[in-house]
Amino acid sequence: GQQLNQSPQSMFIQEGEDVSMNCTSSSIFNTWLWYKQDPGEGPVLLIALYKAGELTSNGRLTAQFGITRKDSFLNISASIPSDVGIYFCAGQVRNTDKLIFGTGTRLQVFP
Amino acid sequence: GAVVSQHPSRVICKSGTSVKIECRSLDFQATTMFWYRQFPKKSLMLMATSNEGSKATYEQGVEKDKFLINHASLTLSTLTVTSAHPEDSSFYICSVRGPYGYTFGSGTRLTVV
Repeated sequence: GQQLNQSPQSMFIQEGEDVSMNCTSSSIFNTWLWYKQDPGEGPVLLIALYKAGELTSNGRLTAQFGITRKDSFLNISASIPSDVGIYFCAGQVRNTDKLIFGTGTRLQVFP
Repeated sequence: GAVVSQHPSRVICKSGTSVKIECRSLDFQATTMFWYRQFPKKSLMLMATSNEGSKATYEQGVEKDKFLINHASLTLSTLTVTSAHPEDSSFYICSVRGPYGYTFGSGTRLTVV
């Protein structure tokens, strides 16, 4: 099925460092979402973006909806151990309620 | 967002048997629910859209006779994996689109032995 390309695939960083990951697509999406998934759990919504160019923050997290509506990035500042997990972007397919998920970025934070 | 409860969280079944997974929307009447499948270290792949009172809409390549979906009420959708085989072992996750966005269940780990 259709997927969004996410990079990097994995990151190993030290506690306190900033993190940046992005998501690109060949298709236009009207809504971009960023989720975090812990092992054995369902994804939990971090940030939702609804307008091209929109920049939204949620605590240490900041995400932007690309102007072309084909990409988005997520930044995490001053990482902490509990940031460990898999981060997924997701785009809502136009004129439907369906979500398409990115390939995921696995984040490891070392103390 | 909506509060979503998925059950069971883990199930082990013998090859050839059927397994039912429930997804409940606890605080929102959902006319539509979604079922995803996730292989280890992979992304979530949409399997089907569950529609209350009508047939589910399956994504391309998903066998509707293998993965039976029933959405008999506004708060419950079920996914039944019929005649399960080891290759059906996976993590299955449901989702509800509530008034504030999409909420996911905690997933069901299915192991077929």
